[in-house]
This record gives sequence, C-alpha cells and structure tokens, in this order.
Amino acid sequence: GENVEQHPSTLSVQEGDSAVIKCTYSDSASNYFPWYKQELGKGPQLIIDIRSNVGEKKDQRIAVTLNKTAKHFSLHITETQPEDSAVYFCAAPQRASTNAGKSTFGDGTTLTVKP
Amino acid sequence: DGGITQSPKYLFRKEGQNVTLSCEQNLNHDAMYWYRQDPGQGLRLIYYSQIVNDFQKGDIAEGYSVSREKKESFPLTVTSAQKNPTAFYLCASSIGLPTSNTGELFFGEGSRLTVL
Repeated sequence: GENVEQHPSTLSVQEGDSAVIKCTYSDSASNYFPWYKQELGKGPQLIIDIRSNVGEKKDQRIAVTLNKTAKHFSLHITETQPEDSAVYFCAAPQRASTNAGKSTFGDGTTLTVKP
Repeated sequence: DGGITQSPKYLFRKEGQNVTLSCEQNLNHDAMYWYRQDPGQGLRLIYYSQIVNDFQKGDIAEGYSVSREKKESFPLTVTSAQKNPTAFYLCASSIGLPTSNTGELFFGEGSRLTVL
C-alpha cells in the first residue's frame, strides 16, 4: 500500500514569514495530492490539491508543488497570519483497484504562527 | 446548509460496552468513510462505503462495525472487542473515490470517545 511521510511534525514561524511542509509518497501511480487543514476541535478541510499532470498550483497565499520523479509534494504558505495556525495533513490515494477508496494521510504538521 | 453531521460530539463509555456513533450527510455523496485520529498521528481509515448496502474494511477495522442502509447514513459501532477505543472519530464523504476528479473528502466535526 501507499506510504506517506510528512515533515516537519511541528513548525513555528513569525507572522509574515513563509512556511513549507513536505510530504513524500511511495506509490508512483498516485495522481492526486490534497492538503487538509484541521483547526482545533474540528474536522479537516481541503485547502488545496494538485493532480499529477501539473507541477504547481497556487491559490492566493497557498501553493502546492509536485515533483513526481522524486515522489514528493510540498505545501507553501506565504505571508503567514495567526489564523493559519492549525494542523495540516497531506494525503495520497491508493491506486490499486482493491484499495480505491483509501487515502493514506501523513501524520500531520502543527503550524504555529506567532504574532 | 449541506454538510456532514456527527453525533454525539462527546461520548463516555464504560469498558465492555458497545457504542454507536452517528454520521449523516445531505450532500448526496455516494462514498462515506470513518477515520480514527490519535494525538500526533494522521487519520487512519476504519471502514468505507462506496455505495448503499456495501462497505469495505480499512486499515484498522478490527473491533468496529458499520452499516450503510441509506445513502445519507453511515453509523459506526465501536464494540467491546476494540482494545483501545479512546480516540477522536471522523466521518467523511466524497462524490467519488479519492483517485477520481471528485475525490475531495468532506469531514464532519468529529466525535470524541472516552472509555472510562
């Protein structure tokens, strides 16, 4: 099955700085890579995703880059704000037909933005 | 508003008791999922269902059971056979499977189960 590793587990930045979280995956057939944000006491929410036919996708202060050769994808948050403080998860779905309903999640990164 | 509703938000259980967590969605999604979240760990899949009256085991199904009698509902029963049931449980749904163009997961707000 798919193995997903996420780094770092915790990240603390000053307001206005950039934050980068990286995930590596093992299944070279994976083709969809979402990032979820989970605020305290709530369920995760999709913030951005990327498909394997593109290398980068941006949405205002958030961007995701994908390197299929190296099998890693990264979340970039620029001009961080205190409300960006949350736990961020990456995920990679399993491609095998018998596992088509499964997504493997990284262990999460707790981002703290200090005002 | 459309979304996923989980209940109860907090639940306490004595050892040896079964407990059922409710998950209802009005998004008209075919696929539904149950995940378990432990501190410092990612989400681990317990069960998922791609269609009514059908479901598959996830990575940690032992000690859990589900049913999918209606499209809108996917309840999870934590049985007394689950050795370490204290956790945060998340229900999710999606239009299609994660590998498809409609694979975004929509999560509920979770149910926190504590075994006393």
